[in-house]
Amino acid sequence: SQQGEEDPQALSIQEGENATMNCSYKTSINNLQWYRQNSGRGLVHLILIRSNEREKHSGRLRVTLDTSKKSSSLLITASRAADTASYFCATASGDAGNNRKLIWGLGTSLAVNP
Amino acid sequence: SQTIHQWPATLVQPVGSPLSLECTVEGTSNPNLYWYRQAAGRGLQLLFYSVGIGQISSEVPQNLSASRPQDRQFILSSKKLLLSDSGFYLCAWSGVDTQYFGPGTRLTVL
Repeated sequence: SQQGEEDPQALSIQEGENATMNCSYKTSINNLQWYRQNSGRGLVHLILIRSNEREKHSGRLRVTLDTSKKSSSLLITASRAADTASYFCATASGDAGNNRKLIWGLGTSLAVNP
Repeated sequence: SQTIHQWPATLVQPVGSPLSLECTVEGTSNPNLYWYRQAAGRGLQLLFYSVGIGQISSEVPQNLSASRPQDRQFILSSKKLLLSDSGFYLCAWSGVDTQYFGPGTRLTVL
């Protein structure tokens, strides 16, 4: 079943602009993860934020987590055409440290126009 | 380093034919293994996951089955494909927290 809901479903921006995607979830979590999927390819893990963290950075990526609102956001700064992809959030609950199942959102399709 | 392989990359099969998709992982031991299906423009649907040889958990009742004959081998099968089985099939393995995906198999059932 899908727990996460990303919005917007689709986002189109110009190269150099920032892109913000949001994810909401329903139950308590151990961590929340963001993945990227280029068209026709497998998913690639981007960043993980644990339930006791509020913000995390990795290069041009910034993720925030608000457990009181059960929501997360992914910010991509200074976007590039190569960032064009679908972005998925996924939450892990239950077995800490050895997730067996991730609950996936439906994804945000990002188009970065050169 | 760990790598995950899936084959074939693309498959076109007639309705009612059998299916066998294979996934193998290198560079890790006793991984959790997963099969997902992704319809066009949609999210991931977890089909099966396995925590060890011969241990399979089914998430969605359907005409698909999975087997794990070896520690790092995961097979998705069907005896008779349906049109609704078309989609993009992804295999993944998990480390401590994250999942690592193979390149996927595009299945078209005609």
